[in-house]
Amino acid sequence: KAGVTQTPRYLIKTRGQQVTLSCSPISGHRSVSWYQQTPGQGLQFLFEYFSETQRNKGNFPGRFSGRQFSNSRSEMNVSTLELGDSALYLCASSLGGTGQETQYFGPGTRLLVL
Amino acid sequence: AQSVTQLDSHVSVSEGTPVLLRCNYSSSYSPSLFWYVQHPNKGLQLLLKYTSAATLVKGINGFEAEFKKSETSFHLTKPSAHMSDAAEYFCVVTPPHTGTASKLTFGTGTRLQVTL
Repeated sequence: KAGVTQTPRYLIKTRGQQVTLSCSPISGHRSVSWYQQTPGQGLQFLFEYFSETQRNKGNFPGRFSGRQFSNSRSEMNVSTLELGDSALYLCASSLGGTGQETQYFGPGTRLLVL
Repeated sequence: AQSVTQLDSHVSVSEGTPVLLRCNYSSSYSPSLFWYVQHPNKGLQLLLKYTSAATLVKGINGFEAEFKKSETSFHLTKPSAHMSDAAEYFCVVTPPHTGTASKLTFGTGTRLQVTL
């Protein structure tokens, strides 16, 4: 079974631009969560989608948004990029998204904002 | 509320010697606990998880962890380190029976260095 895939793997953008990242979960998984990983803040939860609905959201500004499609693929969008948005963005999928389930992580998208 | 503390940001061991990565948690209830490993430029991979079954949990690649409620600890161990174990390790806590993945709380990570 194919793992979680994320595209693109690397991105370079400039301040003020917007970016869209994509995540394809493991087949059959309906929950997709997004995380931001930085050296200073560690791993921080962005949001979770389940069956095309945002189920939970972390403490990030409204510039960060996401969506999930009927095939469970998910995208996240960051508008008006800031230098501090430079990070590794990880998505993870699980079957139903309960806390005890194993979350399977993708390799991440490394975003550099100049 | 819940939290997790990884007591060492960096651990260095020689190949063939034991590994101990320490994790303490704080939770109002009996939590579920996980250890994930992250190799450079890779995503996180589950090593093992504790979900209120056996307190000694065996994972992949020879790792194991013991849940000690009295000490609120979930330390990760391996009898003999291998060069390929060099990576960053994250301890993760979540309350039981939560219906959403967003309750995962990650530790700050421990970077394991393995020397010859």
